[in-house]
Amino acid sequence: DAKTTQPNSMESNEEEPVHLPCNHSTISGTDYIHWYRQLPSQGPEYVIHGLTSNVNNRMASLAIAEDRKSSTLILHRATLRDAAVYYCILRDRLVFGNEKLTFGTGTRLTIIP
Amino acid sequence: ETGVTQTPRHLVMGMTNKKSLKCEQHLGHNAMYWYKQSAKKPLELMFVYNFKEQTENNSVPSRFSPECPNSSHLFLHLHTLQPEDSALYLCASSQGFGASGGDTQYFGPGTRLTVL
Repeated sequence: DAKTTQPNSMESNEEEPVHLPCNHSTISGTDYIHWYRQLPSQGPEYVIHGLTSNVNNRMASLAIAEDRKSSTLILHRATLRDAAVYYCILRDRLVFGNEKLTFGTGTRLTIIP
Repeated sequence: ETGVTQTPRHLVMGMTNKKSLKCEQHLGHNAMYWYKQSAKKPLELMFVYNFKEQTENNSVPSRFSPECPNSSHLFLHLHTLQPEDSALYLCASSQGFGASGGDTQYFGPGTRLTVL
């Protein structure tokens, strides 16, 4: 499986944008880029995913580099509730039945009031 | 509220006990998963079920025994566990087999297990 690399931790001020980077230099052409986050004392929750184009939803935006070797999760206006561990995960879209998510250590995001 | 519930939320058991963890999903999904999250370690996939059939066993010791009677329910039967099995056990569900790489998983809140 292609691997991802994320910083161990980041800090951001409340109500400011946050850019969480993820490197995936060995990504294949059929890999989706998924982001999940895990709030304290909760299970992970889906944030966003994309293949080639940038994506937006109510939670965040995903910016994918043109060569797809890196991506950035953007929280437009961080709140205290966004403090969590953020995971960047690659999933092969052509491998039917390969539903497993392989979690790394993620980025622990701290929001400063 | 993700549509995936787990009971109990906390469990303390001795090494000779037998207990079961329960997971139920109300999302109409066809795939269900058990994950283990130990302190300071990434989530580890344990088992995957698609349409009630086990499709993945990630070299899990036999003291963990999964059961999937239907697509909405998943159990993890525990017996003769060790203290190092203490962890957060998470259940998830997704649309499942054939959904391709965009398939989203929905997680329950987990069961915090302590083995004495």
